[in-house]
Amino acid sequence: EDKVVQSPLSLVVHEGDTVTLNCSYEVTNFRSLLWYKQEKKAPTFLFMLTSSGIEKKSGRLSSILDKKELFSILNITATQTGDSAVYLCAVGGGATNKLIFGTGTLLAVQP
Amino acid sequence: GAVVSQHPSRVICKSGTSVKIECRSLDFQATTMFWYRQFPKKSLMLMATSNEGSKATYEQGVEKDKFLINHASLTLSTLTVTSAHPEDSSFYICSASYDYPHVDQEQYFGPGTRLTVT
Repeated sequence: EDKVVQSPLSLVVHEGDTVTLNCSYEVTNFRSLLWYKQEKKAPTFLFMLTSSGIEKKSGRLSSILDKKELFSILNITATQTGDSAVYLCAVGGGATNKLIFGTGTLLAVQP
Repeated sequence: GAVVSQHPSRVICKSGTSVKIECRSLDFQATTMFWYRQFPKKSLMLMATSNEGSKATYEQGVEKDKFLINHASLTLSTLTVTSAHPEDSSFYICSASYDYPHVDQEQYFGPGTRLTVT
């Protein structure tokens, strides 16, 4: 059965800290891995990763994929209270054109 | 580009009534649209996948007679929650995809519809 597992489930840090969020997967016919940020609305797209070892970066956020070990990490440096959200990892693949979502990591950044 | 809208953004209805939620791709033709449901503090749960002009494919455990999906055109899909009950209260999110090369995202998400059944 295809699955996506995120860790930790929740995390509390202080402003300025660096955090690393993990996503591991077992999905047949892997196409891509995506990271989303969700506050009190629909998910906001962050990154889509398809190739191993190539870091994608946007401001203080970066992400990388390891297709051999079947995982990805999302790094956030110099965290701010506005980074508080649920971060979702999803993998495109499987038997159909679906996205398989992980349970998410709830990040709380305290002032 | 690749904007998806949903209407309404929020709806409150009485138990026993039906509610229709629209999902539109505004600037592209969506070959496939997806409907998700999200409970508080939970991840997105795929309900069904629909392709234009054909019947939707429902995920296991989703009642197709309860959640009617129509994908009438390449830019519009609708989800109708029939005979709604309080347990149907949830956040419903649609997404759309298209099969061009070099797509920067797998699916483009709408802003979601919060349904409350009283």
